[in-house]
Amino acid sequence: DTGVSQDPRHKITKRGQNVTFRCDPISEHNRLYWYRQTLGQGPEFLTYFQNEAQLEKSRLLSDRFSAERPKGSFSTLEIQRTEQGDSAMYLCASSPPRRRGKLTDTQYFGPGTRLTVL
Amino acid sequence: DAKTTQPNSMESNEEEPVHLPCNHSTISGTDYIHWYRQLPSQGPEYVIHGLTSNVNNRMASLAIAEDRKSSTLILHRATLRDAAVYYCILRNTPLVFGKGTRLSVIA
Repeated sequence: DTGVSQDPRHKITKRGQNVTFRCDPISEHNRLYWYRQTLGQGPEFLTYFQNEAQLEKSRLLSDRFSAERPKGSFSTLEIQRTEQGDSAMYLCASSPPRRRGKLTDTQYFGPGTRLTVL
Repeated sequence: DAKTTQPNSMESNEEEPVHLPCNHSTISGTDYIHWYRQLPSQGPEYVIHGLTSNVNNRMASLAIAEDRKSSTLILHRATLRDAAVYYCILRNTPLVFGKGTRLSVIA
């Protein structure tokens, strides 16, 4: 399977603990996105990378959240001092380099990591 | 960012065509119209996108109004596997999702 993979698929943690999620994008995709989705809502953007550079961060991304993509391949999303409000599905997506003249791209999503904070 | 408006839910019988509408009256001239869908317990998946002309692919068709203020995603023959939340999206990088339309397909 050469799709986007995420690990773990499920995580249960206690309030105050730190958690880290991993995303492996499709090979040769240079853009990688993180989204968060709560029940009944559409996904909300958190941050995205082009290669190893973090190009945009949402205001939703508090200082307890940090994301990295050190070698421009896989990415990690860490949440420090988790709160019950952090319970959500965390989705990762990747997209290939844009061809010349192309103004849009297609994002390919992973299955997500479901976080439950007790 | 331009806003999209979609019905909260729609229902279709299996094997029948489904027309999912989206209003985007404040769309700018350079905004592409994207559709993604999210099946239960899965991440979203790309369906189709277009700028001005109608588009077809193996999954669906996209009909875009001449003034671009609305569009319609057409599933030609709905199957039970098409039951999902369908999102109409203008901003692409990153994607800005609304609440979408929940499509139920009845056998």
